[in-house]
Order: sequence, then structure tokens, then C-alpha cells
Amino acid sequence: KAGVTQTPRYLIKTRGQQVTLSCSPISGHRSVSWYQQTPGQGLQFLFEYFSETQRNKGNFPGRFSGRQFSNSRSEMNVSTLELGDSALYLCASSLEGHGYEQYFGPGTRLTVT
Amino acid sequence: SQQGEEDPQALSIQEGENATMNCSYKTSINNLQWYRQNSGRGLVHLILIRSNEREKHSGRLRVTLDTSKKSSSLLITASRAADTASYFCATDSNDYKLSFGAGTTVTVRA
Repeated sequence: KAGVTQTPRYLIKTRGQQVTLSCSPISGHRSVSWYQQTPGQGLQFLFEYFSETQRNKGNFPGRFSGRQFSNSRSEMNVSTLELGDSALYLCASSLEGHGYEQYFGPGTRLTVT
Repeated sequence: SQQGEEDPQALSIQEGENATMNCSYKTSINNLQWYRQNSGRGLVHLILIRSNEREKHSGRLRVTLDTSKKSSSLLITASRAADTASYFCATDSNDYKLSFGAGTTVTVRA
């Protein structure tokens, strides 16, 4: 099976702009989660989707949003970018969500200047 | 906020030696998972241990879980240069997310 894919792999944006990141889960996986990783805060949970429904959301401002499509692919959007949004954004998929191991994509490295 | 805390933060060992790292957490869990990350890449799942299990093995990896102490340990035996990475514990508390610790950076010297 193909692994989790994320596009783009690298992105440079300017403060105030918005960005959309994409994630394609492993075939058959219905749960997709997003995490932000920074040197200061470590790995922080953003949100989890299952069958197009958001089941949990982390402690991030409303500028961070996401969605999941009927084919389980997911996107996350960050509006009005701030310098502090520079991070590695990781997507993970699993069969059902909790109770199962998660398979991570390579991440999207976002740099905000 | 992070649920798990790893100890030590960093570990340097000789090839062939064993590496042990510990994870403590705060709330009740459904399972605890260990992941490896190489140089800012994606995380690789290593092992999942459920709350009703005490020990689990996978190849050169051994994980223990003590729910009474809210702690887990990961042992890597006969380490290799390829084991150089950051290792994270993550707790699953039935809330559709994993809560990660800060990680242990392991360096295996040739």
C-alpha cells in the first residue's frame, strides 16, 4: 500500500497570507489527524477527522481550519499567517482513529517570513 | 499541553549497547504508543501497548507499561547507527488524538 502523502513538502509564505496543505491517507484509512511540530512546543494536535466529521480539535486559534472529503483526503488551511506558524505540519492516518496506530506522512515544512 | 514527558531528553551510547528511555503521563489512557523520527521527517510507528498489557516486544524493542505509576519505558537492545533518531511516546485517551511527549534524542556512536 502507498503511504500517507502530503503536498506540498515545502512552502514559503509571507505574513498575512493564507495557506492550504493537503494530505492523502493510506487507502482504507478513514481517520486523518493533523499535528504541528515546532522546536519550542513539540508535537501539538490540531484536529482529527473521520468520515468527513471533525471529532476533536486542539487548542489552536480559529485561523487554523481543516476538512475531510468523501475519499478521506484532508486539507488544512491557515489564514492570516503569523511568523509563529512556521513549523512542520504532519498528517497521520489510521483505520478508525483512537485505539489504532497512526501512520504519518513526511510533513509539510512551512516557513513564514 | 503535553501529556507525556520523556526522560532523558538526550542519550548518547556506543553501537551495540542498549538504550532505555522512559515516559510518564498524567491521565488514564487507552493505549500508549512509541514513535521514531529521523531528522525532522515524518514519524514512524514503533509499537503500541494497550492499557491492559504490561510488556510488549517487537524485534530489538521492548516496551513496558505500568498504569499504576503512569509510566512506560522503551528499551532498544544492541543499538545500531541507524537507531540514531528522536523517540516519542504518545498517549491515546479515547479522545481521538495522540498527546506526545517532548521526545528523547538518541545518538548511537560507531
